[in-house]
Amino acid sequence: EVQLVESGGGLVQPGGSLRLSCAASGFTFSSYWMHWVRQAPGKGLVWVSRINSDGSSTSYADSVKGRFTISRDNAKNTLYLQMNSLRAEDTAVYYCAIPAGLFDYWGQGTLVTVSS
Amino acid sequence: SYELTQPPSVSVSPGQTARITCSGDALPKKYAYWYQQKSGQAPVLVIYEDSKRPSGIPERFSGSSSGTMATLTISGAQVEDEADYYCYSTDSSGNHRVFGTGTKVTVL
Repeated sequence: EVQLVESGGGLVQPGGSLRLSCAASGFTFSSYWMHWVRQAPGKGLVWVSRINSDGSSTSYADSVKGRFTISRDNAKNTLYLQMNSLRAEDTAVYYCAIPAGLFDYWGQGTLVTVSS
Repeated sequence: SYELTQPPSVSVSPGQTARITCSGDALPKKYAYWYQQKSGQAPVLVIYEDSKRPSGIPERFSGSSSGTMATLTISGAQVEDEADYYCYSTDSSGNHRVFGTGTKVTVL
């Protein structure tokens, strides 16, 4: 059974940092591009970032570029999102996902709250 | 930055047809995907590559794309289809993904 389990969310002050993790199981993690998607409370889905299968290529939404870093450890079957210089508008549920296509899976999400 | 535009809401009576549009400049060359999201749950893919339906998705869900517009059609909508629906695609460079603005479908 494919599972994506996010962790690392919580309350952080503006300007602070947080690292999210996504533990993958039930499939060959190293074969798939991975994404982070977020959803602010009561708002729509927003694509945040993606990384290719071997970690050599990344892409970011304009709203997080320069502040967030996506990475992966294929030996540990784990995806990461390092979030720096956090702002109130980064408050959201963050999903780890393999979106679109026949192999489409999402985690349950982890809540990040940026507030003083 | 690239945007996909959807109507904020669509309302239909049970058994009627609901159509949700998604407009984007790159859609003539890029596939559209459609997600259903119910309150408090992760999104579920209902259409991929413009018009293909994943296994387990009811036949009443169909998709099409023409020019700069993709459309999700729910034929014979059921009360359980009430949800938010999002289109998803890629910008012309293929480097950035984007979700549509979202459409709340009400069946009553």
